[in-house]
Amino acid sequence: AQSVAQPEDQVNVAEGNPLTVKCTYSVSGNPYLFWYVQYPNRGLQFLLKYITGDNLVKGSYGFEAEFNKSQTSFHLKKPSALVSDSALYFCAVRDYTDKLIFGTGTRLQVFP
Amino acid sequence: NAGVTQTPKFRILKIGQSMTLQCTQDMNHNYMYWYRQDPGMGLKLIYYSVGAGITDKGEVPNGYNVSRSTTEDFPLRLELAAPSQTSVYFCAIRPPGQTLDEQFFGPGTRLTVL
Repeated sequence: AQSVAQPEDQVNVAEGNPLTVKCTYSVSGNPYLFWYVQYPNRGLQFLLKYITGDNLVKGSYGFEAEFNKSQTSFHLKKPSALVSDSALYFCAVRDYTDKLIFGTGTRLQVFP
Repeated sequence: NAGVTQTPKFRILKIGQSMTLQCTQDMNHNYMYWYRQDPGMGLKLIYYSVGAGITDKGEVPNGYNVSRSTTEDFPLRLELAAPSQTSVYFCAIRPPGQTLDEQFFGPGTRLTVL
């Protein structure tokens, strides 16, 4: 079965430092991977996706994600964190029936 | 929230009561989805629809029903509310014909069943 795992419930980082939010996946066939962000009391917002091509995907708000097939990972990154990046981040994979399977989420806390 | 409206924003129900969560979109997208979000559990798909008149079960459909009489509306019905249905419910849409496109989510409905 298709699945994604987000091993960290929470990630803490100081403003200005680089951040990484981890995601690993398990799929049969080609993986179609997504990152979403959820701000308090809001719905999920799309950040970026990997379908094919370049392993480094650039998305909204300065975020990027690196697809690593050998490690079955799709980690979300940003070179310099902002306090306003504090939110809940979800990794997702599209399964063979064309539905999204979400990870359990990682809370990012950026401290001033 | 990308043209997806959900009502109500909040609701408290007693056990056994029924209610309908409304989801309306103004983007004429065929694909619509209902998810529930429980703390620490991510989002689980309840039901989805690929177009008017067509609905199908997702991962956790028990205790819920849906209908899709129009492209715009995709209501989610709880017939006999149970405490296990306390959750935040999100409706989402996706453009037609673009199977690899992202979904767009509504702002959510927070439901508490006491």
